[in-house]
Amino acid sequence: AQSVTQLDSQVPVFEEAPVELRCNYSSSVSVYLFWYVQYPNQGLQLLLKYLSGSTLVKGINGFEAEFNKSQTSFHLRKPSVHISDTAEYFCAVSRQGGSEKLVFGKGTKLTVNP
Amino acid sequence: EAQVTQNPRYLITVTGKKLTVTCSQNMNHEYMSWYRQDPGLGLRQIYYSMNVEVTDKGDVPEGYKVSRKEKRNFPLILESPSPNQTSLYFCASSIQGAGELFFGEGSRLTVL
Repeated sequence: AQSVTQLDSQVPVFEEAPVELRCNYSSSVSVYLFWYVQYPNQGLQLLLKYLSGSTLVKGINGFEAEFNKSQTSFHLRKPSVHISDTAEYFCAVSRQGGSEKLVFGKGTKLTVNP
Repeated sequence: EAQVTQNPRYLITVTGKKLTVTCSQNMNHEYMSWYRQDPGLGLRQIYYSMNVEVTDKGDVPEGYKVSRKEKRNFPLILESPSPNQTSLYFCASSIQGAGELFFGEGSRLTVL
């Protein structure tokens, strides 16, 4: 079975600062990895995904993540955040070729302050 | 527009009064699933369906039922709701094998 650990439940940053949201996963088989974003009072929206190939994945809104198999990590980064990036971010993992059961982390609340 | 639609978006009910949360997707997806979201616990899967007439339990199925009579619809049924089912519920769908879920806007349920 797969599991996900998001290492920080809350991350406060100032506008235009860089940010990294950390995600580690556990799995005995090859996986797909995802980051989803949830803006206040909305559903989850896919930010980016790693299925195979290049370990550096670029997503929407200037976010990117790097798949590190040896460290079983998939950290999310943005070089300069905006107030509008304030949201909750979820890392998720599923088994490659499996039944799309996504296992989610508990979320990281990113707050961007002026 | 491709979307997953849930209804109702907000509901307050009382213990024991049966309710159904509907979910419909217009993307011809084979796979559909229900999650609940609770503070500090993230999203937990309730039930999922690989195809019409095929459903299976997720991680927290107690107190819930589902049915998949048509490809596009996947209703969540609470036969006798209890206060511990107060939560934010999400329906999601996916193409088989793609690994990416598309989510509805969520249904916030309060059971008094």
